[in-house]
Amino acid sequence: QSALTQPASVSGSPGQSITISCTGTSSDVGRYNYLSWYQQYPGKAPKLIIYDVNSRPSGISNRFSGSKSGNTASLTISGLQAEDEADYYCSSYTPTTNLDVFGTGTTVSVL
Amino acid sequence: QITLKESGPTLVKPTQTVTLTCSFSGFSLTTTGVAVGWIRQPPTKAPEWLALVYWHDEKRYSPSLKGRLTIIKDTSKNQVVLTMASMAPVDTATYYCVQLSCFTSGSCHTAHWGQGTLDTVSS
Repeated sequence: QSALTQPASVSGSPGQSITISCTGTSSDVGRYNYLSWYQQYPGKAPKLIIYDVNSRPSGISNRFSGSKSGNTASLTISGLQAEDEADYYCSSYTPTTNLDVFGTGTTVSVL
Repeated sequence: QITLKESGPTLVKPTQTVTLTCSFSGFSLTTTGVAVGWIRQPPTKAPEWLALVYWHDEKRYSPSLKGRLTIIKDTSKNQVVLTMASMAPVDTATYYCVQLSCFTSGSCHTAHWGQGTLDTVSS
């Protein structure tokens, strides 16, 4: 099972909005709404920030939002802050493995 | 409060079998909708699902590693054990234990992670 495709890096200035894409296929991202996003700081475990395409777990800032169109999902970070510098991974259920498949990962830099 | 903690050897020799134990608290693996799984992440790479076990003992394995993996749950000890055979240097990674909450909609959320244990495979 191939990993979902994400841009290697995205950057923005404080206060701006950025969007990270996550491209899969009609068998995974395009077929199911079981799409999650994780934030990971160096040396730390990933943290769930979006699930089911656009839902936020309790305690997650509403500056993070998710959407999906066709085989591509997106994570938007609004009002970019220095603390948003991290790696971000998408994840989607795939019936090929009956497990989730992760994206390639995107490093967000705040200029 | 839900916590998970991984334990196991940090250095493994090629061809050996490694046993990783996840000890958890704050939930029961007998509760409907609960699952515990293992995810690994090689240095500087994306995470990868390895295996998971549901409350009713259904098990799922990564097809690419299925023949090498065994996952079992011990509900009396609140532990999940993963064994991985024929270890090789490419298996060097941080291994995470995760808790999933699954719903009738089919959605499962991986909201709780252990801190991870770095396993290095080297002779």
